[in-house]
Amino acid sequence: DTAVSQTPKYLVTQMGNDKSIKCEQNLGHDTMYWYKQDSKKFLKIMFSYNNKELIINETVPNRFSPKSPDKAHLNLHINSLELGDSAVYFCASSPWGGAYEQYFGPGTRLTVT
Amino acid sequence: AQSVAQPEDQVNVAEGNPLTVKCTYSVSGNPYLFWYVQYPNRGLQFLLKYITGDNLVKGSYGFEAEFNKSQTSFHLKKPSALVSDSALYFCAVRGNGQNFVFGPGTRLSVLP
Repeated sequence: DTAVSQTPKYLVTQMGNDKSIKCEQNLGHDTMYWYKQDSKKFLKIMFSYNNKELIINETVPNRFSPKSPDKAHLNLHINSLELGDSAVYFCASSPWGGAYEQYFGPGTRLTVT
Repeated sequence: AQSVAQPEDQVNVAEGNPLTVKCTYSVSGNPYLFWYVQYPNRGLQFLLKYITGDNLVKGSYGFEAEFNKSQTSFHLKKPSALVSDSALYFCAVRGNGQNFVFGPGTRLSVLP
């Protein structure tokens, strides 16, 4: 009964390909997030959705497109992958509101060759 | 703009000794402050948070943190470190709006 799950755990692909990462949470939270963690372990928010509506869209190339089919799922699609996209991508969820902590998924390690 | 600083990349401490991992922040308005821990090849796990009230907050695994408004700090502490506490620790702040901002992380090594 994993709270926040991501698939796949590892993704190795070539430059120029398109790939998707899926995220699901069973915590009943309204808000979901995508983060990128680079090789130096810096963690940066990419997107946030609340009840399927985009509320945060940081400066991210438009090759990255999030999609939230319902409030329990937030997928990340990446077009035309580049070497610099190699990173660990984390999904997270929380109830709506500033006082709540986030619950993180296990991460997807993306390697672009 | 919100920001979080963790001035130490690495903290080494002997098992059984007290540990402190430092965090300072900048945010407009009242801050919500959080500590997370990341073990190798794992996602971040929530440890504790400060929202309002008592400046000393207690969290998971014996950790606690002290909010100091005048110094804009939220240092993580534990009275007696365990080897299993060795991990990467992140401080985060959430001010106006819904954006979490994370610090760069501090690697804690507890030596047996």
